[in-house]
Amino acid sequence: DGGITQSPKYLFRKEGQNVTLSCEQNLNHDAMYWYRQDPGQGLRLIYYSQIVNDFQKGDIAEGYSVSREKKESFPLTVTSAQKNPTAFYLCASSVVGGETQYFGPGTRLLVL
Amino acid sequence: GENVEQHPSTLSVQEGDSAVIKCTYSDSASNYFPWYKQELGKGPQLIIDIRSNVGEKKDQRIAVTLNKTAKHFSLHITETQPEDSAVYFCAASGGGGGSNYKLTFGKGTLLTVNP
Repeated sequence: DGGITQSPKYLFRKEGQNVTLSCEQNLNHDAMYWYRQDPGQGLRLIYYSQIVNDFQKGDIAEGYSVSREKKESFPLTVTSAQKNPTAFYLCASSVVGGETQYFGPGTRLLVL
Repeated sequence: GENVEQHPSTLSVQEGDSAVIKCTYSDSASNYFPWYKQELGKGPQLIIDIRSNVGEKKDQRIAVTLNKTAKHFSLHITETQPEDSAVYFCAASGGGGGSNYKLTFGKGTLLTVNP
């Protein structure tokens, strides 16, 4: 069953804590993306990666970090520097140079 | 950079009626326009897309039209059903400045289909 998986579905962060969101895909896509979604808003790009061991900042990268050590995986870390982390986080993937992006089910991050 | 405006923000229709959602974009170099449907608590799902070399595309009850001159595109849903109720997002990509990978999204339209 091909697709994109994200875990956990819900994540709670304490003040000053770093948390990591997982994104895995078995679509053999080279490109992967992280978006943030706030209520009543569109999706905003945090980071993207078009190839293993390479990634670029999107529109709202401050307070976030990523790694791309494997083609299938693109974890996102929400650092303590992100002062307003409560949001729905979406991971997507596509073929390189392909515009069509496919999304995972999302992770909702809440602050305790 | 690209800017995508989407209207209306909410739309309520009776079952069986048609629904139309409109988007405008700012970058004339954009050439790919997908539409996504997002149900509550889930990730967006691609429902239809159109590229700039065509003016209209249809898939059963869903159609998308594109007017490149006016820089706007629209989603048309006919014979709406309660299961069409969701948030719909338009997006644009392929703009200039080496950003042809990037999707810029509208803010979404909450469609409610009343039985």
